[in-house]
Amino acid sequence: AQRVTQPEKLLSVFKGAPVELKCNYSYSGSPELFWYVQYSRQRLQLLLRHISRESIKGFTADLNKGETSFHLKKPFAQEEDSAMYYCALSAMNRDDKIIFGKGTRLHILP
Amino acid sequence: DAGVTQSPTHLIKTRGQQVTLRCSPISGHKSVSWYQQVLGQGPQFIFQYYEKEERGRGNFPDRFSARQFPNYSSELNVNALLLGDSALYLCASSLHGEGVYEQFFGPGTRLTVL
Repeated sequence: AQRVTQPEKLLSVFKGAPVELKCNYSYSGSPELFWYVQYSRQRLQLLLRHISRESIKGFTADLNKGETSFHLKKPFAQEEDSAMYYCALSAMNRDDKIIFGKGTRLHILP
Repeated sequence: DAGVTQSPTHLIKTRGQQVTLRCSPISGHKSVSWYQQVLGQGPQFIFQYYEKEERGRGNFPDRFSARQFPNYSSELNVNALLLGDSALYLCASSLHGEGVYEQFFGPGTRLTVL
């Protein structure tokens, strides 16, 4: 069964320190992995997807199929990074069904 | 374009009642998906519609139903409401019905069942 696990409900990091939000997934096929972000009083929005191999707002995420992980990283945290982050999985070439993790709240300390 | 819009913003119902939630996708988007987000959890997939046909269904009881109209807007209906149906209901639209396309989320409808 498809499953996405985000082990941390809350992560507090000092401004300027590195950030790593963990995500592990369970899926037998070739999934597409995403990170969605929700800033305070804003709607859920796509941050990045593994297939694009982009760096968005300084964040990167590498798909590790051996460890079935898709951790989100940023070398230097900024206060505006404080938000709720959701890791999500979609089966390739199927419907738009996306499986979300429970989310991690990132709190950047001044 | 205002993005994905949903109505109403908030809704209070009592157990046993029925509710209809509405969603208008981004202009040009043909796929609409519905998600339920209970407090403290990530969004959970309910339905996906593409070109007015159901393309996917999550693990929800038959009390939940949806449809998509010729203008690609969509309605989510929930019958015989239970306290556990209290949640934020999110609608998302995308260009097509395949998983490779980015989904754009609406602000959600907050449903409270008393």
